[in-house]
Amino acid sequence: GAGVSQTPSNKVTEKGKYVELRCDPISGHTALYWYRQSLGQGPEFLIYFQGTGAADDSGLPNDRFFAVRPEGSVSTLKIQRTERGDSAVYLCASATGQGGAGELFFGEGSRLTVL
Amino acid sequence: SQQGEEDPQALSIQEGENATMNCSYKTSINNLQWYRQNSGRGLVHLILIRSNEREKHSGRLRVTLDTSKKSSSLLITASRAADTASYFCATGSSGGYNKLIFGAGTRLAVHP
Repeated sequence: GAGVSQTPSNKVTEKGKYVELRCDPISGHTALYWYRQSLGQGPEFLIYFQGTGAADDSGLPNDRFFAVRPEGSVSTLKIQRTERGDSAVYLCASATGQGGAGELFFGEGSRLTVL
Repeated sequence: SQQGEEDPQALSIQEGENATMNCSYKTSINNLQWYRQNSGRGLVHLILIRSNEREKHSGRLRVTLDTSKKSSSLLITASRAADTASYFCATGSSGGYNKLIFGAGTRLAVHP
């Protein structure tokens, strides 16, 4: 497809389980971002990739959260030992990565519910 | 933490009226962007204004930026029911990449 694709769209899991969320960015976009959005709030920055490397992971809340982008395209956000407070919509966005300032193209998000 | 603070948190107007949303931020920026989010959907980019610009237009949208007051406003003219959504401002800092920090958003309801 032409847009950013995120899977799964919904994920329900139990406390303590491991979760993977996938993001397929727009082809050719070198910049990829993960955000987390809680109900009634704006997106909260988690991590930014330029190519394969994490250029800024300062938003990851703790070491249970990890993200990879091994080939510079698809990215996976991994959450270990999930907690109820991890429940949120996880948004992925991509950008051309050229020039530093430009619009982000968002996916529809993955809604995570931790019971 | 969130950089921008939108005001008001919620806005309810009639079709045809203008809607004005404000955004304040704390640190110096490279650019400021406005996004729209329909309920349960992803965010859609509306407009970007750079720190050296004061005003920008796109269709029914008008954005202003006052870097001395660290504030921006988004005006939607002649609103339509389809404009009902949440609107977020996001600031981009310098540093060579586009790390956007979002505010909490304004929820706009336009009634037919």
